[in-house]
Amino acid sequence: GDSVTQMEGPVTLSEEAFLTINCTYTATGYPSLFWYVQYPGEGLQLLLKATKADDKGSNKGFEATYRKETTSFHLEKGSVQVSDSAVYFCALTLNTGTASKLTFGTGTRLQVTL
Amino acid sequence: NAGVMQNPRHLVRRRGQEARLRCSPMKGHSHVYWYRQLPEEGLKFMVYLQKENIIDESGMPKERFSAEFPKEGPSILRIQQVVRGDSAAYFCASSPAQGSYQPQHFGDGTRLSIL
Repeated sequence: GDSVTQMEGPVTLSEEAFLTINCTYTATGYPSLFWYVQYPGEGLQLLLKATKADDKGSNKGFEATYRKETTSFHLEKGSVQVSDSAVYFCALTLNTGTASKLTFGTGTRLQVTL
Repeated sequence: NAGVMQNPRHLVRRRGQEARLRCSPMKGHSHVYWYRQLPEEGLKFMVYLQKENIIDESGMPKERFSAEFPKEGPSILRIQQVVRGDSAAYFCASSPAQGSYQPQHFGDGTRLSIL
């Protein structure tokens, strides 16, 4: 079946450090890929997405490139802030004409300190 | 607030009681999804509904769980005869149409605790 694998957390960084959170996927079809962020006590917010190979999603300084050859969608940010502390989820959905359920990774907690 | 609205935010039930979770999708959205998040885990898909129709319930437990999205009113996730293992955060998401190009927008969830 379809699955998403993320690096284990927590990831602890100092402010202004470079961030990479690895995400790889397995899919029976041709997926669209997403990163969601969850702040404490809240729901998930869409951070960025990519719908086809070599697409780069970007938002708020975060970027991720859809790599079909390595089945990866790693999240990066050049300089993190304390306010980026949250749990980040990688997810996929298949490009079919019917159900569009999201398959999530287990999440990676990011802690940014001063 | 034009976002996805879930209520209640917190719900406490004793074993054997019923839990009803409500979700009002974003304005203009006709597709609703329910997910469950166990502590320290990712979200797991439960069910996908359109108005008056269940499209995909492949993630729903076969017993005690049901969902509906009536023509009028919010979507309801119903858990009968709750057990301790039902304790989790339940999230609703909505989208304007089906298809992977339509991102899902999430509510803040209902945190269900079973005593």
